[in-house]
Parts: sequence; C-alpha cells; structure tokens
Amino acid sequence: KAGVTQTPRYLIKTRGQQVTLSCSPISGHRSVSWYQQTPGQGLQFLFEYFSETQRNKGNFPGRFSGRQFSNSRSEMNVSTLELGDSALYLCASSFFQGNSPLHFGNGTRLTVT
Amino acid sequence: DAKTTQPNSMESNEEEPVHLPCNHSTISGTDYIHWYRQLPSQGPEYVIHGLTSNVNNRMASLAIAEDRKSSTLILHRATLRDAAVYYCILRDGVNAGGTSYGKLTFGQGTILTVHP
Repeated sequence: KAGVTQTPRYLIKTRGQQVTLSCSPISGHRSVSWYQQTPGQGLQFLFEYFSETQRNKGNFPGRFSGRQFSNSRSEMNVSTLELGDSALYLCASSFFQGNSPLHFGNGTRLTVT
Repeated sequence: DAKTTQPNSMESNEEEPVHLPCNHSTISGTDYIHWYRQLPSQGPEYVIHGLTSNVNNRMASLAIAEDRKSSTLILHRATLRDAAVYYCILRDGVNAGGTSYGKLTFGQGTILTVHP
C-alpha cells in the first residue's frame, strides 16, 4: 500500500512569491491535514480537510490556504512568501474517525530567500 | 488541549530496553494517549495509543498509570533505527469528531539516542 506522497520534496522560492504544495493521501483516507515544522516552533497544525471542506484551522495568517479535491488529494498554498515561511511542510492522512492514526508523508522542504 | 511533559533527551544502548516517560496530569476522561516518533529526515510515524489499559503492538508497549496521569512507552530491545524524537500526545477520542480528527498538538518530544 503506497504511503502519503508529497511533491515536490524540495523547493526554493523568493520572498514575495507564492507556492503550491501537493499531497496524495493513502488510498481510502479521506481526511488530510497539514503541518508546518520549524526548529523554533516545532510541529504546528495548519488545517484539516475532509470531503473537500476545511474542518479545522490552526493559528496561521490568511496567506496560508488549502483545498481538497474529490479524490481526496490536497494542495496547500502560501502567498506572498516571507523568510519565516521557510520550513518543512508535512501532510498527513487518516480515516475520519476518533482514534485513527495519522500517516505522515516525508514533507516538502521550503526555503524562502 | 491537555499538555504533556517529556524529558528533553534520553540515551540507550543497542538491544537494551528503553522506557520513555510522559506526564499528563491534566488528562481528561476522554483523552487517549498517543505516541508518535520522527526519524531524521522523515515525517512523524504513529507508534501506539491507549486509553486505560496497557497496550502492546509490534513496535512497542504502552504502560498507563492507574490514575492515567502518566504513561511510559517501552521499546523492548532498542536498535539503531529507533533513534528518533518521540512525541507523547493527548487526543480526545470522543469529542474530536465535532472538531477535527487531524489535529495533533505536538510538544518538543524526547530525543532518543541509541548507542551501538
């Protein structure tokens, strides 16, 4: 069974640009969550999607957005990039049930210069 | 979200058991105790979870105190591949459906070093 796939693996962007990251969940998983990981703040929840609807959102500015498609694949977008957006962005998928474990991809490493 | 407290780091020797502690004195009755680990250059990986009773799976065992205010993740025979950051997380297994199944609150975790 294929795991969670995130593309691209590495990305370098310039301040002020925008970026789109992609996540393909495990087959059958309909919930997709996004996390940001930085050395200073650790792992922080960005948002979660289920059935193409955002179910929950973390404490991030509106420059961070996402969407989910009918096949459960998800994208997140960051507009007007800032240097502080440099981070590892992780996607996780799960069944939409109380204690279903999250399955994480290996992330997209974004560097903003 | 209820908070957990873990030691910053622990060390072990290969093929010895490792006991990773976690304190969660404000745990509520509907909180499950979850453990994830993150190996270098990878995303977090689910290890185990439990509510009240001790749990075992192929990766580890979870021992939960009777008052549920603490728990211990047990790796029975550490290998070099077990070197990772281990996160203890409380997750509301009953009420999460009303808000989010995908939101986990990660702390700083315990960095486990395994010596050959």
